[in-house]
Amino acid sequence: GQNIDQPTEMTATEGAIVQINCTYQTSGFNGLFWYQQHAGEAPTFLSYNVLDGLEEKGRFSSFLSRSKGYSYLLLKELQMKDSASYLCAVRDSNYQLIWGAGTKLIIKP
Amino acid sequence: GAVVSQHPSRVICKSGTSVKIECRSLDFQATTMFWYRQFPKKSLMLMATSNEGSKATYEQGVEKDKFLINHASLTLSTLTVTSAHPEDSSFYICSARDEDLSAPLYGYTFGSGTRLTVV
Repeated sequence: GQNIDQPTEMTATEGAIVQINCTYQTSGFNGLFWYQQHAGEAPTFLSYNVLDGLEEKGRFSSFLSRSKGYSYLLLKELQMKDSASYLCAVRDSNYQLIWGAGTKLIIKP
Repeated sequence: GAVVSQHPSRVICKSGTSVKIECRSLDFQATTMFWYRQFPKKSLMLMATSNEGSKATYEQGVEKDKFLINHASLTLSTLTVTSAHPEDSSFYICSARDEDLSAPLYGYTFGSGTRLTVV
């Protein structure tokens, strides 16, 4: 079956760095997405990786290793507004998005 | 960038009534739209894939007669929750894929979601 694993919850301090990991086992691979979702709101797009390596976009970076079925989202200089759930999703061979359960990130002052 | 408009954002209805949720792609055409359901503190659950001009493809366990999907044009898909019951109360989110070849590969855009409460 298809499976995406990410930690349920993480806690970090304002101004620090946090890494959210995601491992996946899917039928085919056509890209991996990270989305941010605040409570009661729809997800917003953060990043997309289809090739191995690191994609940097401001305070957020995303890494992919296809051979390991592994990705991480790195958030730097954490701000209180970064408190949200972070969803990892993989697009499979049928171009369907397979979603992880999300990681709730709690930022403390 | 691509924008998907979803209405209403919140709706409260009586048990037994039907509720229609609209999802519109505002500045692009979407042959395919997706309907998700999300319970509190849970991830997105794909309910169905809406295909313009043809029948929707439902995920296993989703009742077709309960959740009616219509995708009559390239910019509009609707989800109707028929004979709603309290257990249908949830957050419903649509998303659309911009299939213009010039659009970024990561062309999934989400609507703002609809909070349905059935009393």
